[in-house]
Formats: sequence, structure tokens, C-alpha cells
Amino acid sequence: AQTVTQSQPEMSVQEAETVTLSCTYDTSENNYYLFWYKQPPSRQMILVIRQEAYKQQNATENRFSVNFQKAAKSFSLKISDSQLGDTAMYFCAFRAGAQKLVFGQGTRLTINP
Amino acid sequence: DTEVTQTPKHLVMGMTNKKSLKCEQHMGHRAMYWYKQKAKKPPELMFVYSYEKLSINESVPSRFSPECPNSSLLNLHLHALQPEDSALYLCASSPQTGVLDTDTQYFGPGTRLTVL
Repeated sequence: AQTVTQSQPEMSVQEAETVTLSCTYDTSENNYYLFWYKQPPSRQMILVIRQEAYKQQNATENRFSVNFQKAAKSFSLKISDSQLGDTAMYFCAFRAGAQKLVFGQGTRLTINP
Repeated sequence: DTEVTQTPKHLVMGMTNKKSLKCEQHMGHRAMYWYKQKAKKPPELMFVYSYEKLSINESVPSRFSPECPNSSLLNLHLHALQPEDSALYLCASSPQTGVLDTDTQYFGPGTRLTVL
């Protein structure tokens, strides 16, 4: 069974700083997708970024980028120039084939003014 | 457009009531999902519909009854719920393309359910 671990329950940084959220996973699959979802207090689960396991190049979406280390089974999210609107719960998630999406326990990120 | 809509936003019901949650998407996605989320926890999968057929039921109690009337709509019928069923109920959809089905799920804003 696949598992996803987020070791940082809470993080807090100042506005404009860079912050990195950690995620590790365990799987015996070779083809899979990894995701970071953001859930602000408004509660909508928003896709931030996704990474295909077969791609060596790290995914990037504007201020959000990932560091995908397949051998280490690590998938961290870097947020550059953090903004107040980045305050949210961040969930790392894994999916392989037709299996269900497996979520980590989440990291609550607070951006302070 | 990656929009999934859910109604109502909030619902308060007694343990003897019957109510329904509604989810809609117009992205042509062929897989739709119901999740239950408790505060400060990740979503827990309840049901998956694939091409309008129930493909996964995660041992959910029968007081929750899903229905997929067509490829755009997903309902969750509620009856005789318990206070511990109070939670955020999220709907999601995904394209479901190809054999691997390693595609992306897009979530709706959720329905906040309170059972008294």
C-alpha cells in the first residue's frame, strides 16, 4: 500500500520569504503522479502543482516549484516570494494507475505580514 | 475551465431528516468522487463513479447513498445521519483518460454538513 508522509504539521514564515514543505512517499510502483493541493480557510481544495514520475524535470508553476527525488521518494514544494494569500493547509498526494488518491496529513502554512 | 460546483454550501439537518448534496461539472470528466473531510484532516474517499457506474465504495454506511444521474451530475443522498457524520463533503472529478488513469482530480468547494 502507498503511504504519504508530511513531517511538518505547521510552518510559519514572513511575507516575501521562501518556504519549503516536505513530503515523502512509499510505493513499489514505477509509474505514478504526485500532487500538491492547497486548501485555504475558504476550504476549496485547489491543485497547486503536479509531477509525473517518469519526468526527470521538476515541475514549476509561477512561484511554486517542486524538488522531485524519485530514488529518495521525496517530493517537496518550494514557495518563493510568499504572499499572505498562500496561507492555507497544503496536502501532498499520490496516485498510481486506477487506484485512489492517497493524501498526506497536511502542513498548515501561515504567512505573516 | 476546471470548475466543480457543489450545493448547498452549508446544510444543517436532524438525525431523522433526508437531504441530498449535489455536485456538477461541465468539463466532460468521466470520473466523479465523494470525499468526507474532518477538521484538520485530509479528505477520505467515500465513493467513485466511473462512466456513471459506481466503481469504488469505501465501506461507507448505507445512510449515505450516492447517485450519478448523468455524466455531469453526482448526488449524495443522506438519511438518518449521526452527529459524527458532521464534516465537509467534497466532490471531485477527473478526466479518466487512458488505461493508467493517472489523471488529475479537481475539487469543488464542498458542503459543510452539521448533523444535530
